[in-house]
Amino acid sequence: DAGVIQSPRHEVTEMGQEVTLRCKPISGHNSLFWYRQTMMRGLELLIYFNNNVPIDDSGMPEDRFSAKMPNASFSTLKIQPSEPRDSAVYFCASSSRQGLSGANVLTFGAGSRLTVL
Amino acid sequence: ILNVEQSPQSLHVQEGDSTNFTCSFPSSNFYALHWYRWETAKSPEALFVMTLNGDEKKKGRISATLNTKEGYSYLYIKGSQPEDSATYLCAFLDGSSNTGKLIFGQGTTLQVKP
Repeated sequence: DAGVIQSPRHEVTEMGQEVTLRCKPISGHNSLFWYRQTMMRGLELLIYFNNNVPIDDSGMPEDRFSAKMPNASFSTLKIQPSEPRDSAVYFCASSSRQGLSGANVLTFGAGSRLTVL
Repeated sequence: ILNVEQSPQSLHVQEGDSTNFTCSFPSSNFYALHWYRWETAKSPEALFVMTLNGDEKKKGRISATLNTKEGYSYLYIKGSQPEDSATYLCAFLDGSSNTGKLIFGQGTTLQVKP
């Protein structure tokens, strides 16, 4: 298995532009998580899907952020319009367990490093 | 708000030293505790998943213990090697939410000098 695949690995954009980050979870995993890593706040959970359905989006910073999971093998995190404070590394992770039915070990992607100028 | 605290924030040791660090989490509604190892320029990788009070897990020179009643877990590294240099994250799985949401601590960054 190729693991969790994220793209792009690096993106540099200007303030106000739309940014779309993509994630392909491990085949057969039915839970998908988007995390953001910053120096100040560490690894924060933005949103979490079970069987393609958003379960908890309480970590999404504001309306500029949106996430979708149209099918079991693809998810996007969109920022529109982007701002310099959105600069961070965005990680996608997937798990084969949902809810509390198991250990929920996460497999992380390599991350997408976003820089907003 | 669920708080997961790790200490110390960073640690510098010499090769061969043994070291340990702490993860504190809410003692109520415990379901599981995870430890992840995060090397620079890579992504976090799971080390241990612990679910029972008194659990002790071991992988090579790294081991972890769990006390769910008082809400802490220790990670031990015996005879640290330069390749152990990484950030070690713990994550708490809250049993009350039924959503399977993992709350991560800020991590302990370990630097092992040769």
